[in-house]
Amino acid sequence: EDQVTQSPEALRLQEGESSSLNCSYTVSGLRGLFWYRQDPGKGPEFLFTLYSAGEEKEKERLKATLTKKESFLHITAPKPEDSATYLCAGVSGSARQLTFGSGTQLTVLP
Amino acid sequence: ETGVTQSPTHLIKTRGQQVTLRCSSQSGHNTVSWYQQALGQGPQFIFQYYREEENGRGNFPPRFSGLQFPNYSSELNVNALELDDSALYLCASSSGLAGGIEQYFGPGTRLTVT
Repeated sequence: EDQVTQSPEALRLQEGESSSLNCSYTVSGLRGLFWYRQDPGKGPEFLFTLYSAGEEKEKERLKATLTKKESFLHITAPKPEDSATYLCAGVSGSARQLTFGSGTQLTVLP
Repeated sequence: ETGVTQSPTHLIKTRGQQVTLRCSSQSGHNTVSWYQQALGQGPQFIFQYYREEENGRGNFPPRFSGLQFPNYSSELNVNALELDDSALYLCASSSGLAGGIEQYFGPGTRLTVT
């Protein structure tokens, strides 16, 4: 059974304090690994797609990396507006369905 | 470019009733997937529609059904509502099996079953 596990469940950072979120996955026939950002009561906002081990992508203060078993979302010098839940998902199957982790709730304090 | 839209935003129903949720896909996208997100959890895949046919289904009972229309908009129908069906229902569109695999989500419909 496909499984995606994210850690930590919650993370509180001071503004400017860099850190990393972890996503470990067991997804058969993985076609790609997605990162999304979700604000309370809203739909997930697409951030990155990673296709193969060793790949890295960056957007503003965020950088996503991928190994054969894990993905990391690195947040450099975060700001309060980066506060959100970050979701990781593996893509597999003919329907390319997403298998999500439970997310990491990030709070950045001013 | 128009993003994914969903209606209604919120809905309150009574156990045993039926509900229909609607989704309009992003411009240029012909594939729609539906997900259920319980509070504090990640979204779970319900099913996907591609060119008006169901193209994959998650672990949800048959009382969850759907439709896709020629303009690629979609409906999710849930019969015999149960209290556990209370969740945020998300629709995601993508450019189809020959296109990119990225899925873009709508704002969701919050369903409360009492």
